[in-house]
This record gives sequence, C-alpha cells and structure tokens, in this order.
Amino acid sequence: AQTVTQSQPEMSVQEAETVTLSCTYDTSESNYYLFWYKQPPSRQMILVIRQEAYKQQNATENRFSVNFQKAAKSFSLKISDSQLGDTAMYFCAFGGGAQKLVFGQGTRLTINP
Amino acid sequence: EAQVTQNPRYLITVTGKKLTVTCSQNMNHEYMSWYRQDPGLGLRQIYYSMNVEVTDKGDVPEGYKVSRKEKRNFPLILESPSPNQTSLYFCASSLSLGKRYTFGSGTRLTVV
Repeated sequence: AQTVTQSQPEMSVQEAETVTLSCTYDTSESNYYLFWYKQPPSRQMILVIRQEAYKQQNATENRFSVNFQKAAKSFSLKISDSQLGDTAMYFCAFGGGAQKLVFGQGTRLTINP
Repeated sequence: EAQVTQNPRYLITVTGKKLTVTCSQNMNHEYMSWYRQDPGLGLRQIYYSMNVEVTDKGDVPEGYKVSRKEKRNFPLILESPSPNQTSLYFCASSLSLGKRYTFGSGTRLTVV
C-alpha cells in the first residue's frame, strides 16, 4: 500500500522568506501523480500544484515549485516570497493505480508579518 | 461555476440518529469520492464511485454507506452514527484518476 509522510507537523517563517515543505512517499508503481493541496482556515481544499511522475521537469505555479526526486521518492514544495495568505495547512497527496488519493498528515505553515 | 456542493457545512447529531450528507457536482465527472479528515491523520478515503451504480470501499468504510443513482450526486449515509465518526468530511470529484480533483467545502460533523 502506498504511504505518504510529511515529517514537519508545523513550520513558521517570516513574510517574504522562502520555505520548503517536505514530503516522501512509498510506492512500487511507476506511473502516478503527486499533488500539494492547501487548506486555509476556511477549510477549503485548494490544489496548489500537480506533478506527473513520468515528467522529469519539476512543476511550477507562480511562487510555488516542487523538487521531484523520483528515485528518492521525494516531493517537496517550495514557496518563494511567502505571503500572509500562504498561512494554511498543506497536504501532500499521491494518486496511483488505486482509485484514491493517499494524503500525508499535513504541515501547518504560518507566515508571520 | 464548476463546483462540488456539500450540505450541510455543520451538523451536530446524537448517537444512533441516521443522517445523510449530500454531495453534488456540476462538471459531469465520472469519479467521486468521500474522505474524512482527522488531526494527525490527513484525509482518508471512505468510499468512491467510478460511475453510476459503481461504488467501492476505501480505507475506512465501516459505519458508512453511499449510493450513486445519478452521475452528479453521491450522498454519504451514516445509518447509526457513533462519536468516533465525529470528523470533517469532504466530497471530491474528478474527470478521471490523476486529473484535477475538485473538493467540496467540507462538512463538520459532531456526534454526541
């Protein structure tokens, strides 16, 4: 069974700094998808970024980028020029052959003014 | 607007009183799923559906039922709720596995 591990329960940085959230996963599949979701206090689940495992190029979305290391099964999220609105819970998720997303435990990120 | 609509957003109920949480999507998605979110555990899948009349168990199906009589609707039924089902519930839909998932706004359920 697939597992996703987020080893940082909480993180805190100053506004405008860069922060990296860690995620590792375990799978024997070769074709899969990886996601980062943001959950602000409104509790809405918002897709931040998506990576297809067969693509070597790391996905980017504006200030958000990933470092995808397939061999190491690592999928970290980098947030550049962090903003107060980035304060949220962040979930890493794996989507493979099984009909579900497997989520990590979450990292609570606080951006301080 | 493309969306997944969940109702209610908040619900407090008593042990054993049957309840239904509704979920509806307007994107003609074939895949729909229910998750529960608990502190320190992330989101875990309860049930999913690949299409009308096709449903299957996820990782934590005990105490829950679902149905998919229409493509757009995927209600979650708790026939006899217990306090350990107190949680935050999300419905999600997708065109297919691996594509963008759209989540509902969540239902905070408290069973006393």
